[in-house]
This record gives sequence, C-alpha cells and structure tokens, in this order.
Amino acid sequence: ETGVTQSPTHLIKTRGQQVTLRCSSQSGHNTVSWYQQALGQGPQFIFQYYREEENGRGNFPPRFSGLQFPNYSSELNVNALELDDSALYLCASSSEWGAEVRFFGPGTRLTVL
Amino acid sequence: GESVGLHLPTLSVQEGDNSIINCAYSNSASDYFIWYKQESGKGPQFIIDIRSNMDKRQGQRVTVLLNKTVKHLSLQIAATQPGDSAVYFCAENSGNTPLVFGKGTRLSVIA
Repeated sequence: ETGVTQSPTHLIKTRGQQVTLRCSSQSGHNTVSWYQQALGQGPQFIFQYYREEENGRGNFPPRFSGLQFPNYSSELNVNALELDDSALYLCASSSEWGAEVRFFGPGTRLTVL
Repeated sequence: GESVGLHLPTLSVQEGDNSIINCAYSNSASDYFIWYKQESGKGPQFIIDIRSNMDKRQGQRVTVLLNKTVKHLSLQIAATQPGDSAVYFCAENSGNTPLVFGKGTRLSVIA
C-alpha cells in the first residue's frame, strides 16, 4: 500500500461532459502530481500542485485543471470531455516539492463515449 | 482486469530464470531513474531507483544497472516468478522536473 488513494475506480462519461477525479495523498505529503496513461502508453505528466498552487504543467490544454486542499486531498477536473480523454488517471504524492515522486495511487479509469 | 499495454514489447521467460528488461533514455541531464511494475488495472508500483552517481543498485531479487555513457538502464529480476508478470516502466527526471516514462515492456512468466 502506498498511502495514496483515488476515487472513483471507474467512471463513464459522454463527450462534452465534465468530470472530477479525486486523490488523497499520503499524510504529510504537500506535493501532488497527476498523470494520464492512455492504453498501451506510459503515464504522461499533466500538472503538479505544491501547497495548493499549480507549479508545473505538462502539454495539456486549460480544460484540464486541478485543486489541492490543506488536508492532502486534491482534484483533477476535466471540462468538455473528448473521446481521447479516455485513459487511466494517476496521482502521486511526494513529501516536498522537488522530492522524488515514487508512489502512485491505483488510478481512476475514465471512459468517454 | 483491463490490460495495460496491448502492443508493448514483450519478454517471455521461464519461471526460475533471470529476466533482463532494458530501457534507453534520451535526456543526458537526467539524474534520477526509477523502475515501476504495473499490473493490469493498477497504478505503477515502485520497484527500485538509482541516482546518476551510481552504476548499480540491488534490491530484493532485483538489480538496476545504469550506463550513462550510452544512456541505458536495465532491470534484472532474479529467479523470475509468475507474480512478476506485469508491464515494467522506466522513468527518469532531473532536479524538479516531472518524471518522464518510457514506453514499457510486458514481462510474461511461463510456469
């Protein structure tokens, strides 16, 4: 067990809808990173939050946004869902900004129809 | 569970044999490397890491080798077991940059 939990496990949405995915970081970890893993690919970095502010972003459009809360939980929001957004969404936490990201949650499988 | 990596390179080994999974990286500035194991329907599971000031690091049944000259990383699994069947990813970063993952290799253990 990594101490990182995610919900829901699976989710089905239709194109154009909005979705919120949730992550609970390991206690004391103030940095959370979100990754998207398409089928057959390695995870790709979406963004990172440190002390409730975004401080790094990958090549994802603004309709991907996030929030981090003081209780070590965080959210990934995706607006105007597209078919290509279907993927496994992973979060990972680390104890400090710049510390190694080692431990991932189990992921949320999002299917967009 | 749903498969991860339907068209990945595959390595098939007999149970009890040693496995070697290879990874090439492109960023010469990378100074930290991790190997992950991912089973179907699950998130990546940390196996072992290595920093660029080392060439070799050993864990329980696993060894990671780093060759910075040719930007190559390998994961050796001793006495491979059926439970080792999974997709294996290498990942790299430098400083505060995010992890960059390789494409993955599927390891199949033949009992």
